[in-house]
Amino acid sequence: GAVVSQHPSRVICKSGTSVKIECRSLDFQATTMFWYRQFPKQSLMLMATSNEGSKATYEQGVEKDKFLINHASLTLSTLTVTSAHPEDSSFYICSASSGTGATDTQYFGPGTRLTVL
Amino acid sequence: QKEVEQNSGPLSVPEGAIASLNCTYSDRGSQSFFWYRQYSGKSPELIMFIYSNGDKEDGRFTAQLNKASQYVSLLIRDSQPSDSATYLCAVYSGGGADGLTFGKGTHLIIQP
Repeated sequence: GAVVSQHPSRVICKSGTSVKIECRSLDFQATTMFWYRQFPKQSLMLMATSNEGSKATYEQGVEKDKFLINHASLTLSTLTVTSAHPEDSSFYICSASSGTGATDTQYFGPGTRLTVL
Repeated sequence: QKEVEQNSGPLSVPEGAIASLNCTYSDRGSQSFFWYRQYSGKSPELIMFIYSNGDKEDGRFTAQLNKASQYVSLLIRDSQPSDSATYLCAVYSGGGADGLTFGKGTHLIIQP
């Protein structure tokens, strides 16, 4: 099956610093990558959709200047949380899809747990 | 606003019995439906997807879709303790590349 990796798996940082999270599709080319956030006991919430070579599309309420997304290649997307604050502490999960159709499955990475002190 | 509703549970089922998980969605234009399993602290893993009305079987799992009722379910036969997890229903409604809308998940406990 399709494998998606994320790095780092866990990060603790001080308030005001920036954190970069990488998402890689290991055995397929991801036309589209998605970034989700999950708070404790809550569902996954889509933050943004990222297509290779173009600007990401952000969901309503997600600050594009705070959550910078770069989809530089068909196998790599990065999410940078700029000037992180404690309320940004969450489980960040990326997913990747090889297509754009309704039945194209999204494969999820293992997630990155961010703790901002 | 697209909504996906699930009973949060916990749903407790004896080992070997059938576990039935339900999900309703608000967007009548939704095209495909996914069931993911999520263990605590881990990311979701795909169990199966369905996009046509009716039943779809894969091993011990059966997904059922009724678009008229905007209802999708997942049946787990011969439940095992390892099936204990949170099951997330996800719906795809986009016309192109689009993310999934997730329900909050149902916490399933299989009692040995």
